[in-house]
Amino acid sequence: ILNVEQSPQSLHVQEGDSTNFTCSFPSSNFYALHWYRWETAKSPEALFVMTLNGDEKKKGRISATLNTKEGYSYLYIKGSQPEDSATYLCASLGQGAQKLVFGQGTRLTINP
Amino acid sequence: EAGVAQSPRYKIIEKRQSVAFWCNPISGHATLYWYQQILGQGPKLLIQFQNNGVVDDSQLPKDRFSAERLKGVDSTLKIQPAKLEDSAVYLCASSPGTGFLANYGYTFGSGTRLTVV
Repeated sequence: ILNVEQSPQSLHVQEGDSTNFTCSFPSSNFYALHWYRWETAKSPEALFVMTLNGDEKKKGRISATLNTKEGYSYLYIKGSQPEDSATYLCASLGQGAQKLVFGQGTRLTINP
Repeated sequence: EAGVAQSPRYKIIEKRQSVAFWCNPISGHATLYWYQQILGQGPKLLIQFQNNGVVDDSQLPKDRFSAERLKGVDSTLKIQPAKLEDSAVYLCASSPGTGFLANYGYTFGSGTRLTVV
């Protein structure tokens, strides 16, 4: 079973500041990396699906990068807003695998 | 497009009681997953269905957990009898098929928060 690790486990950021957090995954047998945002009392929502080394995806103020050779991905949030408060999950899909393996998440709180 | 429906949203039961959760995936999605998320941990796959067949149930505690997906549409997850350590959020997710996971994410339901006292 893949071991996916996220850091930090929790993070408090002042409104307007930028922040980032990390997802590490086994680089061997890699196929795809997913990021999800999970707001309290809502469904986890897919943010990005990434497959190519060096890929960068962007959605509004949120962006993500991927390094498949060293096995890590960064999620960046620029100019944090209170609505960015959520748990951010990453998940890895191995070659030939049929399911995602999730990290433990980074719980982000934006202080107004 | 309607989302993944799950019920109930919350459930509190005493240990040794039984509980059942229901999930209705996106119409046409062949693959359905049940994940268990214990506080402070990442979601852990309990069981994966492809249509009405089980693909992976290697982490399902089969002495107390059971799941079915009759007719390849909605699914039920049951715990009997419940233990304190079963307190968790139970998430249902669906996808068109496993071959789509390189391009599309899961669609999740809102989860069922189970508290066993």
